[in-house]
Order: sequence, then structure tokens, then C-alpha cells
Amino acid sequence: AAGVIQSPRHLIKEKRETATLKCYPIPRHDTVYWYQQGPGQDPQFLISFYEKMQSDKGSIPDRFSAQQFSDYHSELNMSSLELGDSALYFCASSLGGLAGAVEQYFGPGTRLTVT
Amino acid sequence: GEDVEQSLFLSVREGDSSVINCTYTDSSSTYLYWYKQEPGAGLQLLTYIFSNMDMKQDQRLTVLLNKKDKHLSLRIADTQTGDSAIYFCAELGGNQFYFGTGTSLTVIP
Repeated sequence: AAGVIQSPRHLIKEKRETATLKCYPIPRHDTVYWYQQGPGQDPQFLISFYEKMQSDKGSIPDRFSAQQFSDYHSELNMSSLELGDSALYFCASSLGGLAGAVEQYFGPGTRLTVT
Repeated sequence: GEDVEQSLFLSVREGDSSVINCTYTDSSSTYLYWYKQEPGAGLQLLTYIFSNMDMKQDQRLTVLLNKKDKHLSLRIADTQTGDSAIYFCAELGGNQFYFGTGTSLTVIP
């Protein structure tokens, strides 16, 4: 069965650069969630989208923005990167917004390293 | 906000049972989860339990939920070396997960 796809899998950037992470949900899933997992930390919720609208917001810095497109894929845009942004970024998808949030399927993650 | 806690480390011998514990604070959580994360890998859903259940069993995995004490546990029977990983409990609050700190399970051959 098709799973959540994230690209790139690994990304190395320098401080103050920008980065764009992409997430392709499971086919027919309409809800996307972004999580950030710092080294040795538990995943922290950043933001979610349902039917292309932001549905919930967590601890996402103002330097980050995200959107969901008409094909339901999502992009997380990160500007003015800081060393502390180095983390594993997970995307998850589900079907049906809040009602479907019970079953979120996680992607393999994008490992971002800021030097 | 939600606060989910776990012990950081657990070490067991191959073939023994492992019990990983978790405490959570949000009594309104409707679903509680266990995820497995191997080094450098993503989050693998192991199982989840609805809050009106006390127990759920799935092959080698048994989840126990004590809602009164807000305590969740995961028992892995006949633990194998392939079970070595970090295990996260999580509660669903609204439409986002709140993860615990993770328990690193080491299985000694």
C-alpha cells in the first residue's frame, strides 16, 4: 500500500539559508500534519492542514510557513535557518480532518542539518 | 498543555517480557498510542487503544490502560533483539499528537 512520501530525505543547509520540505500524503488523504523531532527529543506538532486550510497550529516558529495544495501535498518553508532547526521533520496524513485524526500515518521524515 | 512522561531507558534479556510505562495528564484524551522508532528511521505505529478500553492485545503486544491513574503500559512478550528501539507513547488531543519523551529499549542477546 502507498505510504506518506517526504522529500528530500536528507538536507544540509547553512545558517540563514532557506529550505523547503515536501510531503505527499497517502492517496485520498486530505489532512496533513507536520512534526519536528530534535536530537534526542520527542516529536513536537508544528501545524496541520485540512482541505487546503490550516486546521491547527502548534509550536511553529514565525520563520516557518506551510501550505497545502490542491492535490493535497504540503510544503513546509523554512527561512533564516538556525542551528537549532536541525531536526527530523515528519509529515503525517489522515482522511477526514478532525474525525480522521485518530489514524495518522507518518512518513519516513526529512533530516535537516543546519551548519 | 499535555504532558506525557516515560522512563528513559529499559534493558531486558532476549526472550523476557518488556514493560514500558507512560503517564499522561489530559483526562479527556480519547485515544492513546504506542509508536516505535528505530535509529534514524520514522515512526511506526504499533497499536492504539480507545480510552473506554482497559486492555488491548495484538500478538506479542499488550496495552493496559488505567484511566483513573492516567497510566498506559506496553508489554512486549518474548522480546527479540529486533525490538530494540525507542518507544513513544502519545495521546491525541484535538487533531494533534502529544508524544512522550520516549523509552529506549535495549534487548541483550
